[in-house]
Amino acid sequence: GAVVSQHPSWVICKSGTSVKIECRSLDFQATTMFWYRQFPKQSLMLMATSNEGSKATYEQGVEKDKFLINHASLTLSTLTVTSAHPEDSSFYICSATPWTGDNQPQHFGDGTRLSIL
Amino acid sequence: TQLLEQSPQFLSIQEGENLTVYCNSSSVFSSLQWYRQEPGEGPVLLVTVVTGGEVKKLKRLTFQFGDARKDSSLHITAAQPGDTGLYLCAGPRHGSSNTGKLIFGQGTTLQVKP
Repeated sequence: GAVVSQHPSWVICKSGTSVKIECRSLDFQATTMFWYRQFPKQSLMLMATSNEGSKATYEQGVEKDKFLINHASLTLSTLTVTSAHPEDSSFYICSATPWTGDNQPQHFGDGTRLSIL
Repeated sequence: TQLLEQSPQFLSIQEGENLTVYCNSSSVFSSLQWYRQEPGEGPVLLVTVVTGGEVKKLKRLTFQFGDARKDSSLHITAAQPGDTGLYLCAGPRHGSSNTGKLIFGQGTTLQVKP
């Protein structure tokens, strides 16, 4: 149980392109979804928290106009990297929880490798 | 600033050896979680420790939560190549009560050679 699907798993595109990444909870309703960025052999850096039906909360230093988040339903959140540039190349991972709470585990998608040429 | 410091950051050992990974903080945590991540995949939860002094075992993996709930350790007995991966500890972020936000340690990259 608690499966999170992320799509696409790999994207290669030209500089200036906007890229949309989907995160779906397949067998539970996700009140909250999180978006992370990860550089090679490094830890996860939280970018934003996405709550269904409300605006996302962005971490300090993350441009909300650059990384657009939409959480339109309890099973789907999307991250759009607008006008992507090579410095946006990274591994993006989403996670979801069925309910909020400090001791609840997060269920992670398999990530999206974004490469901007 | 709330930090989780993991050590060592990199570990390369032979199959059959034992190892311990540490996760330390100057802050008290209500719980700590351990995840394992393989290349090109998302992290997978291994365990959550909640009670100070708690010890949990998962086959050859033993997790311990410090008495003061400021640190945790992961011990692997007789490591196998399948244990290779990035091990991450994580805990609830202070000041974000009930939001579920986590802070992560820097991670420990483990390579087990056959």
